Parts: sequence; structure tokens; C-alpha cells
Amino acid sequence: SAVISQKPSRDICQRGTSLTIQCQVDSQVTMMFWYRQQPGQSLTLIATANQGSEATYESGFVIDKFPISRPNLTFSTLTVSNMSPEDSSIYLCSVATGWLEDTQYFGPGTRLTVL
Amino acid sequence: AQTVTQSQPEMSVQEAETVTLSCTYDTSENNYYLFWYKQPPSRQMILVIRQEAYKQQNATENRFSVNFQKAAKSFSLKISDSQLGDTAMYFCAFMSSTGTASKLTFGTGTRLQVTL
Repeated sequence: SAVISQKPSRDICQRGTSLTIQCQVDSQVTMMFWYRQQPGQSLTLIATANQGSEATYESGFVIDKFPISRPNLTFSTLTVSNMSPEDSSIYLCSVATGWLEDTQYFGPGTRLTVL
Repeated sequence: AQTVTQSQPEMSVQEAETVTLSCTYDTSENNYYLFWYKQPPSRQMILVIRQEAYKQQNATENRFSVNFQKAAKSFSLKISDSQLGDTAMYFCAFMSSTGTASKLTFGTGTRLQVTL
């Protein structure tokens, strides 16, 4: 497994502003993922972040709204831009581990509330 | 596209009893991975158990075991000797084995309450 931390753990933001969420892992990993969990809902993948290349976004998510950085093998950031109340969610990062990178472990999540 | 269905929105079990959570999925692939994750009120997603589709033997982790029925595309989780700390949302998830580190597709979750 891996030890994953996220900052901030929670935040309350005003509409129209942006928030950057950090994800740090204690070992080098190739694949990192960002998920969104809307209130009372399941998790939905936003994008896959690969070191040294552009993030790959899922249908319904765009880079202008959710820019992602992956500067090295232990760190990634997700920015939620021009926020609206509909962006209020838990945002979780995960990393893929194992010989085939076939198991994902999650960070503790960031609870975002947009007023 | 793969889909994962959890038909039990909520379940309750008494402490020390056994409970089974249901999960079905739909895929045309032959090789894949299935997972159960637990999310307590702290919101941390915790991996409970993992099953590789090419393995016929059901996975077991201490009090947690699965009943994997590949032909029926069913993947239920059995929790034995339930404890208060098992109270959480439980999510079933699917991962394709094509390529590496494919995305997880989650079910809608089952809220489990363990009572005294």
C-alpha cells in the first residue's frame, strides 16, 4: 500500500474563486487519479495524472475547469477553477500500486464547500 | 462500458452477526479486477478486499470474504462477526485489466449500520 496525504482537508470558498488541492504520496508511483464525490453520491473519476505528460480527462470534465499538475512521481495538484456551489464535493486522489498497478489506494479526501 | 450495481442502499446488522452485501456488474471482458472499499464517516476510502477475475478461489481478508460468481457477474461481500467499527458506506468497484492502471468504476454504495 501507500501513505497518501491531501491538503487542505476541508475548505469553504466563495463562488468565482479557485482552490488548489495537493496530493502527496510516500513512494514513487506512475499513476495518480483524481475523483469527485458529490454529496450522497458515489465516486466519479475526473482525470488520470501521469508524470511528464498531460492529464487524461474523463467525459464531462475539462482542463480549464480542473487543471492538474504532476511535477514528479510523488506529488500532484488539482485545481477547481471558477467555483460554483455545484462544485461542493469531496475530492479524493488515489495512486495505483502493485506489479500491474492494479490496486488503488486513496488519500483522506478534501471536503470543499462553495458558498 | 462497465456498470456496477449495488441494489441495497442501506442495511443493518447486529454486532457479532454476519451480513452480506450484494454487487453485480456488467462487462464483456474476461479478465478484470473487483474491489470492495469501505468509507466510514471520516470519508477515507479504505480497501477492504480485492478479487482477480481469473482466480476461481474467493478472496478472504480476516472477517471479510467474497462470493465471486463470474458467470452470474456477481461479487458479494460477507462480513462475519460484525463490529461497531464496520459501520460505513461500502462501495463495490470494477477495474478493467486491459492496459495498466485503468480507472475504477464504482457502484452507488450500501450504507451499513452495525447495532448493539
